[in-house]
Amino acid sequence: DAKTTQPPSMDCAEGRAANLPCNHSTISGNEYVYWYRQIHSQGPQYIIHGLKNNETNEMASLIITEDRKSSTLILPHATLRDTAVYYCIVRVGTLDDMRFGAGTRLTVKP
Amino acid sequence: GAVVSQHPSRVICKSGTSVKIECRSLDFQATTMFWYRQFPKQSLMLMATSNEGSKATYEQGVEKDKFLINHASLTLSTLTVTSAHPEDSSFYICSARGPSGGNTGELFFGEGSRLTVL
Repeated sequence: DAKTTQPPSMDCAEGRAANLPCNHSTISGNEYVYWYRQIHSQGPQYIIHGLKNNETNEMASLIITEDRKSSTLILPHATLRDTAVYYCIVRVGTLDDMRFGAGTRLTVKP
Repeated sequence: GAVVSQHPSRVICKSGTSVKIECRSLDFQATTMFWYRQFPKQSLMLMATSNEGSKATYEQGVEKDKFLINHASLTLSTLTVTSAHPEDSSFYICSARGPSGGNTGELFFGEGSRLTVL
């Protein structure tokens, strides 16, 4: 019962912005959009999350469409260390468990 | 940020033996922890939810007698793979809800434990 759809892989040039899309057309009004990434053989790392408004932190920006059916994670200046699998997850919030889909494998190239 | 630590990071055991993996929240108390497993080139699969002081809740298809979970304190949950077999070889990852003081709902993940059963 995948709640999100992401492209399986993407490439990005080092120093350029990486824009990772996520479709969540069945999202409920009380569900948040979370983004995590997993670098090879490590535990997932939290990136950002949002409900309705766009969000920005030191790692990334999250753009959520007005109808909330899709979102985009933006890494403004991708580096080689940003190569990882990026997961978009929707969940109710603090009380919900977190279930991972297939994610997008981002490869940042020199 | 909140830190979750797993031990051991790597373990190799013989078929038929049991292996215990520890998950600790180092600087906060975690009433709920989650255990995942991940096979090569696949996503994380939720195995069970571990609640301090009560029985774990297992996902459908996960054998509770095979994967014993104990959450005896607010900072420690353990996963014991009993009578391990080669098909149990996997990357096991735990996570915990962040501290309530700054809780924005994110989970913090351990570094993972790679189990290899010979």
